[in-house]
Amino acid sequence: DVKVTQSSRYLVKRTGEKVFLECVQDMDHENMFWYRQDPGLGLRLIYFSYDVKMKEKGDIPEGYSVSREKKERFSLILESASTNQTSMYLCASSYQGGAYEQYFGPGTRLTVT
Amino acid sequence: GNSVTQMEGPVTLSEEAFLTINCTYTATGYPSLFWYVQYPGEGLQLLLKATKADDKGSNKGFEATYRKETTSFHLEKGSVQVSDSAVYFCALGKSGGYQKVTFGTGTKLQVIP
Repeated sequence: DVKVTQSSRYLVKRTGEKVFLECVQDMDHENMFWYRQDPGLGLRLIYFSYDVKMKEKGDIPEGYSVSREKKERFSLILESASTNQTSMYLCASSYQGGAYEQYFGPGTRLTVT
Repeated sequence: GNSVTQMEGPVTLSEEAFLTINCTYTATGYPSLFWYVQYPGEGLQLLLKATKADDKGSNKGFEATYRKETTSFHLEKGSVQVSDSAVYFCALGKSGGYQKVTFGTGTKLQVIP
């Protein structure tokens, strides 16, 4: 079974802190994605990566950055957390050649106070 | 651009009732279509998919048919169970963009005994 793990299920941070969310997949997938999930808005793509050290902006990249130094690991960074970044963050991965099927981690519920 | 519209919830049904969750899409060409399910406290997981017009995806008693003429991919199940209570997301994948997937806003289903 494909497994996508995220470093924390719940995280509470203060405004202005630098926050790191880690995601690891064990199926040698080329593509990795970070989404945020908010009620009534569904999933919105923040960033994605199609190869090591490669990244592309998604629909809402402002206030976020990413890092992919190894194929299995994709990190989301909030340079200076703000209260409007309180959300559920979901990581996903997929094969390059697959029919777009994505495999998701369990999510990190981030609260910024 | 690509978009997915699905019926708003929550949808509340009694056990063994018939389920329909409507989904329509906007996209050029021939996207792949998906239904994902998110159980409480978990990430999304693929429920079923269809990759071309008139294909029927099915899994765990759920079905959806790719209707190009009506740009729809409605989810159906003949007899729901309490364990089907979850949030259901319709999604489309379109070639030419590193396999990005566009998700609907999700429909919450609650099945009562």
